[in-house]
Amino acid sequence: LAKTTQPISMDSYEGQEVNITCSHNNIATNDYITWYQQFPSQGPRFIIQGYKTKVTNEVASLFIPADRKSSTLSLPRVSLSDTAVYYCLVGDRSGAGSYQLTFGKGTKLSVIP
Amino acid sequence: NAGVTQTPKFQVLKTGQSMTLQCAQDMNHEYMSWYRQDPGMGLRLIHYSVGAGITDQGEVPNGYNVSRSTTEDFPLRLLSAAPSQTSVYFCASSYNRGLNEKLFFGSGTQLSVL
Repeated sequence: LAKTTQPISMDSYEGQEVNITCSHNNIATNDYITWYQQFPSQGPRFIIQGYKTKVTNEVASLFIPADRKSSTLSLPRVSLSDTAVYYCLVGDRSGAGSYQLTFGKGTKLSVIP
Repeated sequence: NAGVTQTPKFQVLKTGQSMTLQCAQDMNHEYMSWYRQDPGMGLRLIHYSVGAGITDQGEVPNGYNVSRSTTEDFPLRLLSAAPSQTSVYFCASSYNRGLNEKLFFGSGTQLSVL
């Protein structure tokens, strides 16, 4: 059922920009792309959401190409506190008449001092 | 607002025992869901509900039951616990089921089945 593909892990040094790409070839026309962040022993929390082109907030930027088959989460100048697992979320309409919000396996980002 | 509250935070069960994981939200959200998280597997959807009296199965529903008698509560029942159900369980809610709605997660229940 999973419809997203992300790198399993990434490493980055403090102060660098990090880009995490998610593939979602079967995204539905009306679906949004949402990214969540999860720290150890906590539930995921919302980071950013977009439909197309570019979205920016105080935490991150989200780049979505015209075909919407992928998206890239960009974290500017990461710090040690950005070490977490990042999930890309899209809707899953593969079930007959159902609508399931399916997470991918996430990308574990490790920020190195 | 307390947000999404899950109880208990930790639980140890013996194989065959039953128990209910509680989830409550005070945001008047229509959509509620349960996920389990296992190492290397990410978050997998167990069951979800789009409103009181309505539930549906997710990706991994076997061994779990749910009900939604009120908007606020969405308990997850394990009728006969198995070691394969050892996991961390998260409850989440959103205003409605649309993808453009933010999901709010509880802090999780760590369950061990011996």
